[in-house]
Amino acid sequence: AQSVSQHNHHVILSEAASLELGCNYSYGGTVNLFWYVQYPGQHLQLLLKYFSGDPLVKGIKGFEAEFIKSKFSFNLRKPSVQWSDTAEYFCAVPYSGAGSYQLTFGKGTKLSVIP
Amino acid sequence: DAEITQSPRHKITETGRQVTLACHQTWNHNNMFWYRQDLGHGLRLIHYSYGVQDTNKGEVSDGYSVSRSNTEDLPLTLESAASSQTSVYFCASSESTGKTRNEQFFGPGTRLTVL
Repeated sequence: AQSVSQHNHHVILSEAASLELGCNYSYGGTVNLFWYVQYPGQHLQLLLKYFSGDPLVKGIKGFEAEFIKSKFSFNLRKPSVQWSDTAEYFCAVPYSGAGSYQLTFGKGTKLSVIP
Repeated sequence: DAEITQSPRHKITETGRQVTLACHQTWNHNNMFWYRQDLGHGLRLIHYSYGVQDTNKGEVSDGYSVSRSNTEDLPLTLESAASSQTSVYFCASSESTGKTRNEQFFGPGTRLTVL
């Protein structure tokens, strides 16, 4: 089964600062990769996803993520954060490779953006 | 628009009572999942179903059960509620075929308090 590590538990940034949240997974085969966002009091929403092709994936609200196969990483980035980006961010991968319907989620990174 | 609904959104119950949380999706997805979300633990899978009459245990299934009698619904039952089951519960669904089969869509959540 896959495991997912998100290295930062809580990140605090000022508005306009750049963001990078780390995500590493354990499976070495073909993977689908996801970042979900959970705004305060809300449910999880898909931020972006990687299935194949260009390893640099662009998502909603100016977020992007880069899939680096050699490093088993799928880090989330945003060049300039806004107060409205305050949320919890979850990285997810299929439980046991691309053929599994289950997802394994990281423990999440809480982002607080100070105006 | 297709969606997932959960009811109730908030529930307070007493230890020992049986509680059922409803999940209804109009995506026509074969796969449905129940998670609990607790501080410090992220999302943990309780039960999941890959189709009608199919149910499977997840990581934290003790004390919970599900049944799948149709495509749209996967109710979660707490047989005898315990204080340790105080949590936020999310239902999700996904396709079983195609490139996006791992992408899960989440409901709004149910906040359950067991006193």
